Amino acid sequence: DADVTQTPRNRITKTGKRIMLECSQTKGHDRMYWYRQDPGLGLRLIYYSFDVKDINKGEISDGYSVSRQAQAKFSLSLESAIPNQTALYFCATSDPGTSENTDTQYFGPGTRLTVL
Amino acid sequence: AQKVTQAQTEISVVEKEDVTLDCVYETRDTTYYLFWYKQPPSGELVFLIRRNSFDEQNEISGRYSWNFQKSTSSFNFTITASQVVDSAVYFCALSEYKAAGNKLTFGGGTRVLVKP
Repeated sequence: DADVTQTPRNRITKTGKRIMLECSQTKGHDRMYWYRQDPGLGLRLIYYSFDVKDINKGEISDGYSVSRQAQAKFSLSLESAIPNQTALYFCATSDPGTSENTDTQYFGPGTRLTVL
Repeated sequence: AQKVTQAQTEISVVEKEDVTLDCVYETRDTTYYLFWYKQPPSGELVFLIRRNSFDEQNEISGRYSWNFQKSTSSFNFTITASQVVDSAVYFCALSEYKAAGNKLTFGGGTRVLVKP
């Protein structure tokens, strides 16, 4: 089974609808992140959470909100979707421990969202 | 602010040719981490390598090698004897070390097309 899962994998919705994207992980990592990918722009950070009680805005948080329901779950919501939020969304996790790959981020498979 | 530049948007090679992907970064921090990720056509992001700013040793892993040069702020990636399965978008990323945790800044990606 995948360590980081995202649901749904694909979603088409209409302008103005509320959408929730979910991320779950079995890696036991404390830190979780949401990114969006647009062609030619790489990935940009939307929100990140270093533990259940810690939520921080990233580079492009406007129009988005998040919820960290548990260590293993981090959800991204679009309160009122608009067409320029059409993108590929990735969840990632990392571990602030002391291993060689401390804080290396491991990504889920992505959710392709289309807002019509 | 940190920045990552991947000047090559697309590279096309014939199988068995070598291909080098350039990555140039900007940061004010003295301690930071550099990463390469691979995004195959299926869309997931696969972690390839992480390099700490205080470790300038080059690294080789099979057909992949990385050349980190602090003096020129570059972290280039070479695929030797390319194969069709190497066709993907490759992202270079930077995170600055901070006590509260690291956030990734991505370059725009380089698409590699390996033709048989």
